[in-house]
Amino acid sequence: DTAVSQTPKYLVTQMGNDKSIKCEQNLGHDTMYWYKQDSKKFLKIMFSYNNKELIINETVPNRFSPKSPDKAHLNLHINSLELGDSAVYFCASRGTGTQAYEQYFGPGTRLTVT
Amino acid sequence: AQKVTQAQTEISVVEKEDVTLDCVYETRDTTYYLFWYKQPPSGELVFLIRRNSFDEQNEISGRYSWNFQKSTSSFNFTITASQVVDSAVYFCALPGQGAQKLVFGQGTRLTINP
Repeated sequence: DTAVSQTPKYLVTQMGNDKSIKCEQNLGHDTMYWYKQDSKKFLKIMFSYNNKELIINETVPNRFSPKSPDKAHLNLHINSLELGDSAVYFCASRGTGTQAYEQYFGPGTRLTVT
Repeated sequence: AQKVTQAQTEISVVEKEDVTLDCVYETRDTTYYLFWYKQPPSGELVFLIRRNSFDEQNEISGRYSWNFQKSTSSFNFTITASQVVDSAVYFCALPGQGAQKLVFGQGTRLTINP
């Protein structure tokens, strides 16, 4: 049973295109995240949603637009892709109760912009 | 603001050696959690441990052990009798303010040579 899943795993596209990455969690968590990992492996928060509401937006360009149709899904849409958007994007969800603060990550989506 | 420093960018050891990965953190919170994650070459982020700040007992899980010292703001990770499968990038992390996100260290790339 996959806890946090992302599609696609790999995404290769040209500059200027628009693309989406989908994320789903079956853990029943209320809070979901998008993180970006750059080529130096540095991980940084982009967005956080709690029960479909945006709670964190870490100065991400407005070309990036997250959408949460329900609390189990958090999708990331990127407009007008740029070379610098090439990275691995991780979706995560946060536990509750005794697993509060623990974040469980999806397998990542490697985005390559050419 | 919360900050995590992993000063060791890369470590390379021979199989069966013990190795310690350092993590130093800064936080204004009086109670907090600390985490370690493993990122193997396949790319996923694997949760290893969560530690409460009010519990300074060392934790051992098989060949893995963690030494938490609040006085020095450190949460070091030791692998005993390392194996090639331990080769990965290891991240230390703690929740950001409001605990709504994780702040990661820069990661330590550990290579275990046969």
